[in-house]
Amino acid sequence: QVQLVESGGGVVQPGRSLRLSCAASGFTFSNFAIHWVRQAPGKGLEWVAIISYDGLYKYYADSVKGRFTISRDNSKNTLYLQMDNLRAEDSAVYTCAKVLGIRTSWLAFDIWGQGTVVTVSS
Amino acid sequence: DIQMTQSPSSLSASVGDRVTITCRASQGISNYLAWYQQKPGKVPNLLIYGVSTLHSGVPSRFSGSGSGTDFTLTINSLQPEDVATYYCQKYNSAPFTFGPGTKVDIK
Repeated sequence: QVQLVESGGGVVQPGRSLRLSCAASGFTFSNFAIHWVRQAPGKGLEWVAIISYDGLYKYYADSVKGRFTISRDNSKNTLYLQMDNLRAEDSAVYTCAKVLGIRTSWLAFDIWGQGTVVTVSS
Repeated sequence: DIQMTQSPSSLSASVGDRVTITCRASQGISNYLAWYQQKPGKVPNLLIYGVSTLHSGVPSRFSGSGSGTDFTLTINSLQPEDVATYYCQKYNSAPFTFGPGTKVDIK
């Protein structure tokens, strides 16, 4: 079945880096734009970043711009989020989500992973 | 950037009630509006996209309407399994902003 599985979360000190992965299965990964969304404990959903199906276009939330980098390896069906210079306010559950249709970024999110927890603390 | 607001922030209704949640965009977003349901401890599920198109498998008691900047999610005949937080989202351009959420529970 269509599935997204995140990994790479953990506890990290402020200022350090972490790389998250999102492994896709059950669909043609290279046809779909994918997002990262995060949710801090007890808070709402915050969109983080998107990468187009071909990896050519990337957009970021202002809160992470210049610190986070989204990338994908279509040969490995995997999405990444490189998070540098982490701050306490980056602590959240990070979830990847695919868009509803192929080869366009401007669609709703139909499949979500279960998330990976990132805690930034000294 | 376009801001998304929702009202109310929470509501309590009886089983069988009709529930209405409002979402407003600070600028027009055409029909690039989705609604998600997030049950406690779970990831969000897509309910509606394109303002009013019901996603596959979503019960017909859910419906969406609106245009431009003002949108509504309606639950006809609230059921116990509808207890959740509901988020609207714009997806016409980055950032793909979510509304702050509306928490729905049973009276």
